Amino acid sequence: QLQLVESGGGVVQPGGSLRLSCAASGFTFSSYGMHWVRQAPGKGLEWVAFIQSDGSNKYYADSVKGRFTISRDNSKNTLYLQMNSLRGDDTAVYYCAGASTVTRHFDCWGQGTLVTVSS
Amino acid sequence: DIQMTQSPSTLSASVGDRVTITCRASQSISGWLAWYQQKPGKAPKLLIYKASSLESGVPSRFSGSGSGTQFTLTISSLQPDDFATYYCQQYNSYWTFGQGTKVEVK
Repeated sequence: QLQLVESGGGVVQPGGSLRLSCAASGFTFSSYGMHWVRQAPGKGLEWVAFIQSDGSNKYYADSVKGRFTISRDNSKNTLYLQMNSLRGDDTAVYYCAGASTVTRHFDCWGQGTLVTVSS
Repeated sequence: DIQMTQSPSTLSASVGDRVTITCRASQSISGWLAWYQQKPGKAPKLLIYKASSLESGVPSRFSGSGSGTQFTLTISSLQPDDFATYYCQQYNSYWTFGQGTKVEVK
């Protein structure tokens, strides 16, 4: 079945960097647009970034634009999120999610990885 | 940017109740709307897509309706497993979530 597994979360100081990974299995990864979505403690869901199935287009939320970079390696079935210049309000659980290029809704989600930005 | 507004923010209900959650978009999103259920410490789970299509494996007590800017998620008879937070999401123009509706025990 469709499975996404995130890794790379942890504690980082303000201004620091972290790279998240999301390993996909059980579906044709190269046919899916992929997203990162985050959820701050006790808060709602916030869309963060999107990358098209072939990596040709990328979009970002204003809150992370210029600081975060989404990428993917279809040969490794893996999605990445490079996070630089981290701030306290970036503290959240980060989920990767997949959306078929045909249907567009988020039909598979990872379990999430916690990123804590604190000194 | 398209804003999504859910109401109510919190809903108190009993098992067997009919529950309705509303989601309003700041501009027309046609039918590009999904509903997700999230339980504490878990990832969101897709319930409804394209406003009214039931995801495979989701109980038929869940239904969605609406188009344009007004959408509704209905649970016809609330079950113990349904106490959770529900989010709407538009995917017409980029992607935006509503703020969530927590369904709690009355």
